[in-house]
Amino acid sequence: LAKTTQPISMDSYEGQEVNITCSHNNIATNDYITWYQQFPSQGPRFIIQGYKTKVTNEVASLFIPADRKSSTLSLPRVSLSDTAVYYCLVGDMLRTGFQKLVFGTGTRLLVSP
Amino acid sequence: KAGVTQTPRYLIKTRGQQVTLSCSPISGHRSVSWYQQTPGQGLQFLFEYFSETQRNKGNFPGRFSGRQFSNSRSEMNVSTLELGDSALYLCASSATGIEAFFGQGTRLTVV
Repeated sequence: LAKTTQPISMDSYEGQEVNITCSHNNIATNDYITWYQQFPSQGPRFIIQGYKTKVTNEVASLFIPADRKSSTLSLPRVSLSDTAVYYCLVGDMLRTGFQKLVFGTGTRLLVSP
Repeated sequence: KAGVTQTPRYLIKTRGQQVTLSCSPISGHRSVSWYQQTPGQGLQFLFEYFSETQRNKGNFPGRFSGRQFSNSRSEMNVSTLELGDSALYLCASSATGIEAFFGQGTRLTVV
């Protein structure tokens, strides 16, 4: 599975847009990029998944450049409740099934009033 | 639709004892995986079951074992507990392999 690199922490204020970038230089052709959110003492929660270009859902947007060596999770107008750890995962989960989801250190986002 | 249910939520055990944790996946999900989360090591994959068969195993000692039943419910067992086994144990299920649904976890404390 491709190794990912994310910032350890980020700070923001309520109402701002937050962009968290993940580097995955060794991404394979069949790999997808998936982001999870985790609150303290809870299991991670799926946010968004993409393969290339841009994906948007009701919670976030995921931007993936043409070379796919990085991706950016964009959270519009964050609120205090968005304070959490965000994980970027890369893998061929569609073909190989749900196995060995490798969670890195994640990015700890702190949203202040 | 009920989510992934893990029992118990909290557990305190003594070194040397064994423990069994339970996970009920979302109805219809046949894939169940287990993870250990500690402040120092983060989230680490333990094993994955699919249709009662262990499909993958992480890098944990043989004291950690699991199984899956025909109704997809899964159990994880840790024998001869050590202080370092204190962690949040998370179970996740999936139907498609695209999205994993996690339970709230079992907080195990070994004293």
